[in-house]
Amino acid sequence: DQQVKQNSPSLSVQEGRISILNCDYTNSMFDYFLWYKKYPAEGPTFLISISSIKDKNEDGRFTVFLNKSAKHLSLHIVPSQPGDSAVYFCAARLGGSEKLVFGKGMKLTVNP
Amino acid sequence: NAGVTQTPKFQVLKTGQSMTLQCAQDMNHEYMSWYRQDPGMGLRLIHYSVGAGITDQGEVPNGYNVSRSTTEDFPLRLLSAAPSQTSVYFCASGRDSEAFFGQGTRLTVV
Repeated sequence: DQQVKQNSPSLSVQEGRISILNCDYTNSMFDYFLWYKKYPAEGPTFLISISSIKDKNEDGRFTVFLNKSAKHLSLHIVPSQPGDSAVYFCAARLGGSEKLVFGKGMKLTVNP
Repeated sequence: NAGVTQTPKFQVLKTGQSMTLQCAQDMNHEYMSWYRQDPGMGLRLIHYSVGAGITDQGEVPNGYNVSRSTTEDFPLRLLSAAPSQTSVYFCASGRDSEAFFGQGTRLTVV
């Protein structure tokens, strides 16, 4: 039973438009959420995170929104660039634990 | 500026063979971890360590052993490889927003 769900396996957007990547979770004990980005043949790299006590965190073109009541978070990329094309993983940390639970990932393609 | 170094990058094993995947970091992080990535499964935690001499199991620990004798190194041992262990393995150093991943080891068990 997946605790962190990325239900869309892929997304394709035009350069300059907004990319919205969604993530749902089932465990209310998660206290911290992160997004990682992965290029082929490389390890994941940290992108942005949000604590469960906040509902928004912004870093340049990247914004993460958290809706605790819906157990839903989303990553917005504005404007999208071809270099953003990668696989994006949503991850959640159990409160009081060191363990991260990852979603299956979603492949984003930004077309020039 | 090495960061996290994993060796080897590629490996083919026969069923029943043993091997060790190496992971070394030069950032003096206490926390290190091993993940496997399988198609459609995302990243799953195998084992982790919060410091030298301390290890614990993750989500999918069966078939793998770890030890942490130094802060820098965190090797992952496959005692008797099985085809189900065919995967891409990632070592990470640091936690959460400070997690740095290695480039991965692609392991095939035939």
